[in-house]
Parts: sequence; structure tokens; C-alpha cells
Amino acid sequence: EVQLVESGGGLVQPGGSLRLSCAASGFTFRSYTMNWVRQAPGKGLEWVSAITGTGSGTYYADSVKGRFTISRDNSKNTLYLQMNGLRAEDTAVYACAKVKGSGWNFDYWGQGTLVTVSS
Amino acid sequence: DIQMIQSPSSVSASVGDRVTITCRASQGVGGWLAWYQQKPGKAPNLLIYAASTLHTEVPSRFSGSGSGTDFTLTISSLQPEDFATYFCQQTNSLPLAFGQGTKVEIK
Repeated sequence: EVQLVESGGGLVQPGGSLRLSCAASGFTFRSYTMNWVRQAPGKGLEWVSAITGTGSGTYYADSVKGRFTISRDNSKNTLYLQMNGLRAEDTAVYACAKVKGSGWNFDYWGQGTLVTVSS
Repeated sequence: DIQMIQSPSSVSASVGDRVTITCRASQGVGGWLAWYQQKPGKAPNLLIYAASTLHTEVPSRFSGSGSGTDFTLTISSLQPEDFATYFCQQTNSLPLAFGQGTKVEIK
């Protein structure tokens, strides 16, 4: 059974940093591109970042480029999102998502971890 | 960047009704469109990909159509478990983009 479990969220002041983790199990982690998607309270879905299976390719939404860094440790089956320079508008539930096959459809999602940026 | 616009933003319907949700892309995405269902407090579930292909174990009352810029999700006979929010997503190019969602509510 595929499982994606996020952790690392919490309350942080504007300008602060957090590192999110996503522990994966039930599939060959290194074979799949992984993504972070966020959802602000009561709002829609926003794609944040993606990383290829080997980690050689990383991609970001303009809203987070230069502030967030996606990475992965295939030996630990874990995906990360380092978030620096946090802003109030980054407040959201952050979920990791696995792609289906070689495309950009997300067939498994974690439940998410809440990041709140507030003073 | 490609923008995705869904309509309506909400729809009230009864069990057994046919429900249609539309998604329009700001530029052509070919057939690279997915639909997701999300229930409150839960992660989204993939329903349809490549505009019209049903994901594993998705009931056949769900169907998708369209190409280019205009796409449709249809629920042929609404069931109690279908009351949820539905999102479209263009999967043609980065940055990926989702529609703002359509909430299907009980009438």
C-alpha cells in the first residue's frame, strides 16, 4: 500500500524557515518524480515544486522560486522541502504527491502538514 | 503560464442528477488534463487523466471529455458519496496549474 506521510509543519514568524519531510512507502520511491502541492485555508490547490526520481531535475512555481528548495534522499525514501524567507501568503497545508507513471498526474497524495506564517 | 478556470464555482444537485463541470485553459493543453475529487479534510483523489481516461477503480458514472482549451467532467447519476469539490489540472507543461474548484452540494 502506498503511503505518504508529511511532517515538519508548524507556526513560524515571517522571514523564518521550516523544513518539511514526506516519508514514502509502498512503492519504488527512486523511480518517481515527486511534488509538493499546497492549499491555503478555504482555497484551491497550488503546485509548488517537483523533483525527478534521481534528484537531477528540480522545478518551482514562481511564487516560491529562490526561497524554497526541494530535495530527496532515496536511501531514506524521503522527500524534503526547505522553506526560507516565509511570508504570510505561504500559510497553507503542504502535501506531497507522487506522479502516476511518467506524466504529471498525481495518483497518491499525503494528508498534508499545516504551515502557518504569522507574528 | 497557463491559467485554469472552472465553472461553475458551486452547483446544487440531487441524488440521481446529471452534473457537468467545465474547465477552460488560457492556452491549449492538448489532451493533458486531469480531474480530482476532494472531500473535506482529505487529500484529493485522481479521477480522470489525459482528459478522458478513468483512473483505477473510478466508477463509470464519471466521464471526461475535451481537448485544447475546453474540457468537461460529467457525473451521469450523482451518488451520495459524490458530494465533494472537484478540481481540474493541466498536465501539459510547467508550472502545473489547477482550477479553483467546483463544489458539488446537496440540493
